[in-house]
Amino acid sequence: DAGVTQSPTHLIKTRGQQVTLRCSPKSGHDTVSWYQQALGQGPQFIFQYYEEEERQRGNFPDRFSGHQFPNYSSELNVNALLLGDSALYLCASSSGQGAKTQYFGPGTRLLVL
Amino acid sequence: AQSVTQLDSQVPVFEEAPVELRCNYSSSVSVYLFWYVQYPNQGLQLLLKYLSGSTLVKGINGFEAEFNKSQTSFHLRKPSVHISDTAEYFCAAIIQGAQKLVFGQGTRLTINP
Repeated sequence: DAGVTQSPTHLIKTRGQQVTLRCSPKSGHDTVSWYQQALGQGPQFIFQYYEEEERQRGNFPDRFSGHQFPNYSSELNVNALLLGDSALYLCASSSGQGAKTQYFGPGTRLLVL
Repeated sequence: AQSVTQLDSQVPVFEEAPVELRCNYSSSVSVYLFWYVQYPNQGLQLLLKYLSGSTLVKGINGFEAEFNKSQTSFHLRKPSVHISDTAEYFCAAIIQGAQKLVFGQGTRLTINP
């Protein structure tokens, strides 16, 4: 039973560039949430997707956008990268919009130079 | 506003000693509570959760936690730690009706031989 997978594992970009991160949920899960974890801090909620729509959003600017595909996989896009966007980006999946238990993937570490 | 506070940023203990990692939350409505563990350069792994029912919950790797509504706490305990328990531990909460996990700042558990 495959868990949550994310790609790529590491990424280096320069300021102003755009990046796309990918996530495949755990088998049987249909809801995907994205979190940003800066060094030495707890994860911060970016947004959640269910039924291909953004259902809830955290305090992140519009430069952060996402998408969910019919197979429940998801992408996180960040435009106009800033140095402060350097972080570990975590994807979590759950089953059903009302589900409380989220299972995390290994993350994508993004470095912006 | 909902918040989660982990009272200790670092906890050093000797191997085979007991440990308690403290977590307090603030919320005016019902919450669901979680503990996650993060090993170096990895994602988050669910240790245990409190959704309802018995206030003493048991998780993986010998960990347990007790939900105390009057103290608004959800402390994590293990009676005897092992070197392999060295990791960062995060307490998190979801308020009733919401979808996002709100995390504490994390507690780094260091086991000394």
